[in-house]
Amino acid sequence: QVTLKESGPVLLKPTETLTLTCTVSGFSLSRTSMGVSWIRQPPGGALEWLAHIFSTDDKSYSASLKNRLTISKDSSKSQVVLTLTDMAPVDAGTYFCARKQDFASGSFDYWGQGTLVAVSS
Amino acid sequence: SYVLTQSPSVSVAPGRTAKITCGGNNIGTKSVHWYQKKAGQAPVLVIFYDSDRPSGIPERFSGSTSGNTATLTISRVEAEDEADYYCQVWDSTQNHGVFGGGTKLTVL
Repeated sequence: QVTLKESGPVLLKPTETLTLTCTVSGFSLSRTSMGVSWIRQPPGGALEWLAHIFSTDDKSYSASLKNRLTISKDSSKSQVVLTLTDMAPVDAGTYFCARKQDFASGSFDYWGQGTLVAVSS
Repeated sequence: SYVLTQSPSVSVAPGRTAKITCGGNNIGTKSVHWYQKKAGQAPVLVIFYDSDRPSGIPERFSGSTSGNTATLTISRVEAEDEADYYCQVWDSTQNHGVFGGGTKLTVL
């Protein structure tokens, strides 16, 4: 059974750094051709893809947020970590992690339930 | 960067057919996936690789692509189908995920 679960802070102040963890089970982050993406949704807004880490440890980032994002993984812990620096109120929303096969055309077939992040002073 | 365009809203009466479109340059050459998103819930994959249905998704959901448009069709619409629907592709040139802006399906 494949599951993903996000965890992290609920409230941050402007300029702080967001660190989110996605803990997966039911598949390996290194021994299978499966990667994990982070996707967010602001309140009342659309889904926005943020970053992806491949089973090979290659990474890709949203062009608009590339300078602020870092994605990494610890396969031994089955965890994928996303950091987003210099948080602002526009970064508030629900953050999801989702599984995707490494080849380009694959879909996001399993998702975590999401974690809600607020940004306020 | 690659852009996917969706109409903001579609309304349909129960039992009728809803068509939700997703426009993109030569989208017919890409693999298009569709997700159903309800408030407070994680997105659910309802169509992958243009027209395949994951197990557990009703046969009422179908997909197609042609030219610059991908279409999600929901036949015999039910009240439980009311949700936001997003199309998605992977932009291989930039190695980025891309989502459409979403379409809110209202069941009258």
